[in-house]
Amino acid sequence: KAGVTQTPRYLIKTRGQQVTLSCSPISGHRSVSWYQQTPGQGLQFLFEYFSETQRNKGNFPGRFSGRQFSNSRSEMNVSTLELGDSALYLCASSWTGTDTQYFGPGTRLTVL
Amino acid sequence: AQSVAQPEDQVNVAEGNPLTVKCTYSVSGNPYLFWYVQYPNRGLQFLLKYITGDNLVKGSYGFEAEFNKSQTSFHLKKPSALVSDSALYFCAVRDGGYQKVTFGTGTKLQVIP
Repeated sequence: KAGVTQTPRYLIKTRGQQVTLSCSPISGHRSVSWYQQTPGQGLQFLFEYFSETQRNKGNFPGRFSGRQFSNSRSEMNVSTLELGDSALYLCASSWTGTDTQYFGPGTRLTVL
Repeated sequence: AQSVAQPEDQVNVAEGNPLTVKCTYSVSGNPYLFWYVQYPNRGLQFLLKYITGDNLVKGSYGFEAEFNKSQTSFHLKKPSALVSDSALYFCAVRDGGYQKVTFGTGTKLQVIP
């Protein structure tokens, strides 16, 4: 069974631009969570989607948004990029969201 | 609110020696506890979890963890460390009735040949 995939793997953007990251969960998994990982802050929870509905949200500004499609694939969008948004963005999927999460390889976003 | 602490930023151990990576947690309900490992430029890989039952949980690659309710700890252990175990280890907790998972800050394990 294929694992969690994330595209693209690497992105370079400039301040003020917007970016969209994509995550395809393991087949059959309906929950997708997004995390931001930085050296200083560790893993920070962004949001979780289950059956196309946002079920949980972390403490990030409204510039960070996401959605989930009927096939459980998820996208997250960051608008008006800031230098501090440079990070590894990780996606994790699980069957229900209350069980074990399986992570993708991440998207490395660099904001210049 | 739930929280998890990994008190050591880095742990150094000689190859062949036993290793321990510490984790303590705080939840209001029943804890669901997880350990993940991250290799450079990779996502997190699931190692093991505790939901209920036996306090000693066995996981992937020879790792195990001991749940201690009185000390609110869930330390990761391995009897004999390998150089290939060198990586970043994350402990995570979820309150039993709540979906959000909280991760620790990570502990870098360095196994010295």
